[in-house]
Amino acid sequence: ETGVTQSPTHLIKTRGQQVTLRCSSQSGHNTVSWYQQALGQGPQFIFQYYREEENGRGNFPPRFSGLQFPNYSSELNVNALELDDSALYLCASSPKATGTGGYTFGSGTRLTVV
Amino acid sequence: KQEVTQIPAALSVPEGENLVLNCSFTDSAIYNLQWFRQDPGKGLTSLLLIQSSQREQTSGRLNASLDKSSGRSTLYIAASQPGDSATYLCAVFSGNTPLVFGKGTRLSVIA
Repeated sequence: ETGVTQSPTHLIKTRGQQVTLRCSSQSGHNTVSWYQQALGQGPQFIFQYYREEENGRGNFPPRFSGLQFPNYSSELNVNALELDDSALYLCASSPKATGTGGYTFGSGTRLTVV
Repeated sequence: KQEVTQIPAALSVPEGENLVLNCSFTDSAIYNLQWFRQDPGKGLTSLLLIQSSQREQTSGRLNASLDKSSGRSTLYIAASQPGDSATYLCAVFSGNTPLVFGKGTRLSVIA
């Protein structure tokens, strides 16, 4: 069974630009969530998608948006990038929207904003 | 609001030693608790998932316990090896939001 895959692995963007990060969920998992991890911190929840609908959101501004596709893959879009957006972005999938089946994480995308 | 604390923040031990990592959470109404390993600059690898009805889970040299009433979990690593060097993260799921993480314990095992 394939795990969670994320692309790209690294990205450098200029302040004010827009970025799209991609995630393919583990086979059989219908829920995808995104996390931001700053250096030395634990991951912070951005939002979650279940059956192509956002069904939970953390304390992030609207310029962080996402999509989930019929095959359960997902995108995270960030507009008007700021220096503080530099972080490791992690995607996780789970077999149930309730999270009772645990979460499987991808390897992350390292975003650097200059 | 659920808060997760991990102690110690960093730990250095000689190879072969048994060790315990601690995790505490403020709201005991959790569905499950998950321990992860993170290598520098990498994603998270799930180590153990403990459901709220369980008291412990074991995988190889790892044993995780859960005391929901006191809001505590421990990760026990037996006979530590240099390859165990990584950051260990504890996360709880309470049903309101997905995982809430601690800041992790950075473990160094010295050969």
